[in-house]
Amino acid sequence: EAQVTQNPRYLITVTGKKLTVTCSQNMNHEYMSWYRQDPGLGLRQIYYSMNVEVTDKGDVPEGYKVSRKEKRNFPLILESPSPNQTSLYFCASSPGQSYYGYTFGSGTRLTVV
Amino acid sequence: RKEVEQDPGPFNVPEGATVAFNCTYSNSASQSFFWYRQDCRKEPKLLMSVYSSGNEDGRFTAQLNRASQYISLLIRDSKLSDSATYLCVVTEYSSASKIIFGSGTRLSIRP
Repeated sequence: EAQVTQNPRYLITVTGKKLTVTCSQNMNHEYMSWYRQDPGLGLRQIYYSMNVEVTDKGDVPEGYKVSRKEKRNFPLILESPSPNQTSLYFCASSPGQSYYGYTFGSGTRLTVV
Repeated sequence: RKEVEQDPGPFNVPEGATVAFNCTYSNSASQSFFWYRQDCRKEPKLLMSVYSSGNEDGRFTAQLNRASQYISLLIRDSKLSDSATYLCVVTEYSSASKIIFGSGTRLSIRP
């Protein structure tokens, strides 16, 4: 089944403790992206990647890192999480051209205390 | 001004009603347009792409007006299962790099 897989689905952590949210797609998509969704603010792009070893900042990159060493994986790293990073996170992938839709992962609900 | 604007709703309509949403975008060079559906606490799912000529998928009709920079979604004969948030999505380049989501319009269908 074609899908984007995120893990974990839920995570509660403490301020400053490094964490990684994994994202993997099995559709050979070139484009991958991370979003956070907050009430009243909608979906905001954190980072995106057009292909292996090619990443770029989205609208809200501060406090996050990403890497794209393989085409299928695009992990999101929070080196020192803070409470304002409590949010619902989505990974998405696309073949690359904008006229295709985007496939989203099931989301990761992160709480930083 | 927001790059993509939607009426947040909520729209509360009876089953069987016709309901329409609009979405406006600010960049006249925008390339591609979509409607996504998002159920509570779940991932957005592609509902339909929006083409200049307009397109229909069953009870759903999408229209694009480039001159006025808005897109619309019409749902006919609404069902209880149509209750969700509908997201307007615009891409600004031919590549997938810059995609912008509206904040969504909440729709609630009552029996």
